[in-house]
Amino acid sequence: ETGVTQTPRHLVMGMTNKKSLKCEQHLGHNAMYWYKQSAKKPLELMFVYNFKEQTENNSVPSRFSPECPNSSHLFLHLHTLQPEDSALYLCASSRIEDTQYFGPGTRLTVL
Amino acid sequence: GQQLNQSPQSMFIQEGEDVSMNCTSSSIFNTWLWYKQEPGEGPVLLIALYKAGELTSNGRLTAQFGITRKDSFLNISASIPSDVGIYFCAGQLGGGSNYKLTFGKGTLLTVNP
Repeated sequence: ETGVTQTPRHLVMGMTNKKSLKCEQHLGHNAMYWYKQSAKKPLELMFVYNFKEQTENNSVPSRFSPECPNSSHLFLHLHTLQPEDSALYLCASSRIEDTQYFGPGTRLTVL
Repeated sequence: GQQLNQSPQSMFIQEGEDVSMNCTSSSIFNTWLWYKQEPGEGPVLLIALYKAGELTSNGRLTAQFGITRKDSFLNISASIPSDVGIYFCAGQLGGGSNYKLTFGKGTLLTVNP
């Protein structure tokens, strides 16, 4: 299934910038997730939303701020990031507690 | 927390060869998933396993859920160049708040034509 889209696909930002990542799912799912993928490390779960309510914050720094206005859309607001935050940010969706389907990711570079 | 050991880390094979990779866990899972990720893309689900001992195929791919519930393997038969990518296993305990996936570090597969 390719029903999860992410924009932008690539983003370069300075440490003082504010930017947002967007995720949209067209699968009728009611849970959405943000993951961080860094080189040579397992995927790291950042946030989980079930029915628009945040149910998981995996000790993520406050410079990452998620927003889930409805079950189909998920945002990740970024501000004052650090170079070590450069990574592939993946969005996923699922029915509650069911198999997760991933979007293509946003490749983020922080200068 | 739970950890998955995925091996091998990388494989270089000739087209037409069969491939095998596996994941082991220190604790049990109730669901095992196998994903493939190609460069510049997100992981794509290949096979989902929901029952201990289950053997499931998807074309040239075959995966099994270990009877101990602590391991799973993925086999690819007669590899082709488009099989190139990183293969991830993921385990899920399930139920209540245990819906989170635990991922392995991935197996990088290179297929030489």
